[in-house]
Amino acid sequence: DTGVSQDPRHKITKRGQNVTFRCDPISEHNRLYWYRQTLGQGPEFLTYFQNEAQLEKSRLLSDRFSAERPKGSFSTLEIQRTEQGDSAMYLCASSSPPRRRNTGELFFGEGSRLTVL
Amino acid sequence: GESVGLHLPTLSVQEGDNSIINCAYSNSASDYFIWYKQESGKGPQFIIDIRSNMDKRQGQRVTVLLNKTVKHLSLQIAATQPGDSAVYFCAENISTGRRALTFGSGTRLQVQP
Repeated sequence: DTGVSQDPRHKITKRGQNVTFRCDPISEHNRLYWYRQTLGQGPEFLTYFQNEAQLEKSRLLSDRFSAERPKGSFSTLEIQRTEQGDSAMYLCASSSPPRRRNTGELFFGEGSRLTVL
Repeated sequence: GESVGLHLPTLSVQEGDNSIINCAYSNSASDYFIWYKQESGKGPQFIIDIRSNMDKRQGQRVTVLLNKTVKHLSLQIAATQPGDSAVYFCAENISTGRRALTFGSGTRLQVQP
């Protein structure tokens, strides 16, 4: 299976600890996105990379959050000094470069569920 | 701010019936729309998309209708099956700028056997 993969799938941590999530996009996709999803809500955009460049960050991405994509392939999302309000599903998605028939579809991973105690 | 929203949080249908899930959007600049299906504990899965230069698009058992006049989008599922039970999200995109989709809050579809 060459879909988007995320690791870990589940993470339980204590408030104040740091956590890091990893996303491996579909190999030929140059665009990578991080979304956050809370129970009963749709995914909320956090940040977006084109190759290794982080092109946009949502206002939801506080200074405790940092995302990197150093080689334009996998990406990491780190949350420092976690708070209970950070508990959510963190979704990664990737997409291919625009082509004539490109649909703009994002391909999502299964997500990393964070629980902050 | 402008947002994508859904009319009904939960829709319950009988197996074999047709389902219609509605979505309203408020950004008139949006020119691309996608429906995603999300099963419990999984990431969203693409169902069907439509561009603003179309008003209808059909897939396998699914049809998306777009009414730009009233900024309304709907997903029709024919002969609904138990495997269709999930949360459905509409999402919008504006071609200019970043290509990050904006999602609505979702509708849960429950298919009764």
